Amino acid sequence: DAGVTQSPTHLIKTRGQQVTLRCSPKSGHDTVSWYQQALGQGPQFIFQYYEEEERQRGNFPDRFSGHQFPNYSSELNVNALLLGDSALYLCASSRDRGLFYEQYFGPGTRLTVT
Amino acid sequence: AQSVAQPEDQVNVAEGNPLTVKCTYSVSGNPYLFWYVQYPNRGLQFLLKYITGDNLVKGSYGFEAEFNKSQTSFHLKKPSALVSDSALYFCAVRESDRGSTLGRLYFGRGTQLTVWP
Repeated sequence: DAGVTQSPTHLIKTRGQQVTLRCSPKSGHDTVSWYQQALGQGPQFIFQYYEEEERQRGNFPDRFSGHQFPNYSSELNVNALLLGDSALYLCASSRDRGLFYEQYFGPGTRLTVT
Repeated sequence: AQSVAQPEDQVNVAEGNPLTVKCTYSVSGNPYLFWYVQYPNRGLQFLLKYITGDNLVKGSYGFEAEFNKSQTSFHLKKPSALVSDSALYFCAVRESDRGSTLGRLYFGRGTQLTVWP
């Protein structure tokens, strides 16, 4: 049973560019959440997708957007990249919006903005 | 507002000794509490959770955690540490009540555990 997968593993972008990160949830999971983990910090919640809609959003600007597809996979898009967007981006999946179940995390995408 | 505090950035223990990684939380309503572990250049691995019931929760790899409502704490423990337990540990909390923050996890800053031989 494959766990949560993310692609790419690493990414280097220049300020002002746009980036798309991808996530496939664990089998049987229907909810995807995205977190940003800056160096030396705990993960910070970006947003959550359930039934192809954004259900919750953390304190992140509109430059951060996402999408969930009918097969429950998800994308995170970041526009107009800033140096401060450099971080490990983690995707987590769960069942039923994580109400009773723990979230399972992927290995992350390391984004470096130069 | 919901928050998690991990008061120790680093915990160092000798192999074979018991270990404790501390966590306190603040949440409106009843908390759901989680511990995750992160190895270098890896994502987070789930260790254990407290939802309801027995205050002592047992998880993966011999870890356990004790929920203390009066002290709003959820400390992670292991009776006998292994060198392979060395990693970054995160405590997380979320609200149990249905609401706008449903499913959202709030993480602490993490505690680096080093177990020396």
